[in-house]
Amino acid sequence: GQQVMQIPQYQHVQEGEDFTTYCNSSTTLSNIQWYKQRPGGHPVFLIQLVKSGEVKKQKRLTFQFGEAKKNSSLHITATQTTDVGTYFCYSGGYQKVTFGTGTKLQVIP
Amino acid sequence: DGGITQSPKYLFRKEGQNVTLSCEQNLNHDAMYWYRQDPGQGLRLIYYSQIVNDFQKGDIAEGYSVSREKKESFPLTVTSAQKNPTAFYLCASSESLAGASYEQYFGPGTRLTVT
Repeated sequence: GQQVMQIPQYQHVQEGEDFTTYCNSSTTLSNIQWYKQRPGGHPVFLIQLVKSGEVKKQKRLTFQFGEAKKNSSLHITATQTTDVGTYFCYSGGYQKVTFGTGTKLQVIP
Repeated sequence: DGGITQSPKYLFRKEGQNVTLSCEQNLNHDAMYWYRQDPGQGLRLIYYSQIVNDFQKGDIAEGYSVSREKKESFPLTVTSAQKNPTAFYLCASSESLAGASYEQYFGPGTRLTVT
């Protein structure tokens, strides 16, 4: 099935810097979910966005769904070492289930 | 304590042997999934099931087989036909596959090494 592309593939940031990962699709998505996988662990659900232009916040994390529902972003303000991991976007439902390629975040203390 | 269990955590097999990975959930979820993850890579869908006695191939089903005889169980067999079976295997479940998406709950995974 089609894959949802994420950029960047890797990101190293100094602790306290901001971080953003982008998820892009060539087709319109009915919804988008974000997951976090800590090193050696399994993916854990963070949030779901459904509406065009939707913005949701969780403490230092801000999630956006594009107006055309073809892209999404996850922004972390003032990264901490606990933010280390790989962040995946996902779109599913009646469409074929598809995980993004993931962005691996390293935070340098 | 609800959740998804996968066993074993680590599994070692010789080339040419079939091996079955266990996945059990007590969340009463209809949909279940199997993913493969290679080092530094994303998640690739092997098989998914929307309901008991029904399952669909994902993107990389060749060399794998599944069954869904019970709602709570979705075992994955890695056959000798799978050319590169060494990987981290993740099982997941969600309330449903239909309509608006539901979040997926993942098990802790099984690391399979075939030599």
